[in-house]
Amino acid sequence: GAVVSQHPSRVICKSGTSVKIECRSLDFQATTMFWYRQFPKQSLMLMATSNEGSKATYEQGVEKDKFLINHASLTLSTLTVTSAHPEDSSFYICSASYTSGGDNEQFFGPGTRLTVL
Amino acid sequence: EDQVTQSPEALRLQEGESSSLNCSYTVSGLRGLFWYRQDPGKGPKFLFTLYSAGEEKEKERLKATLTKKESFLHITAPKPEDSATYLCALSGGYNKLIFGAGTRLAVHP
Repeated sequence: GAVVSQHPSRVICKSGTSVKIECRSLDFQATTMFWYRQFPKQSLMLMATSNEGSKATYEQGVEKDKFLINHASLTLSTLTVTSAHPEDSSFYICSASYTSGGDNEQFFGPGTRLTVL
Repeated sequence: EDQVTQSPEALRLQEGESSSLNCSYTVSGLRGLFWYRQDPGKGPKFLFTLYSAGEEKEKERLKATLTKKESFLHITAPKPEDSATYLCALSGGYNKLIFGAGTRLAVHP
């Protein structure tokens, strides 16, 4: 149980294009989803927290206009990297939890490797 | 400010050589300390949650312990398949996780 999927697993795009990454909770309803990015040999850095049906809360230093997050349903959240540049190349990981505000376990997706040429 | 520091950054062990990974933390109010395993190119996989000092949890060759200032992940008689990055994370407010930089463990036959 508690499986989270991400699609695509790997994407290569040209500089200036936009890329959408999907995160799905397959067997539970996720009221809260989180988006992280991870650079090589570094830890996960939280980018934003999204609750179903409301606007995402972005961490300090994360551009909300560049990283668009939509949490339209209890099983799907999307992250769109707009006008991507090579410095946006990273490993993007989502996670999902059952409830918002409580201290519940987060279930992580397998990650999406984004390479911007 | 809540903070997590892991050591060592990298650890190389021979198969069967037991050792411990350290996670030091500062937090205004501990709401949970998590251990995850991350394989290359994959998302973190949950191992343990600890909530109060003195708590211990075990799973196969792994045992996690918690004090008021640090947590240890003890690995007993490791095997090559235990090679991975082990991440420690604090539960902050609103269910947010604050991750340490991780310990890259390599177990050689």
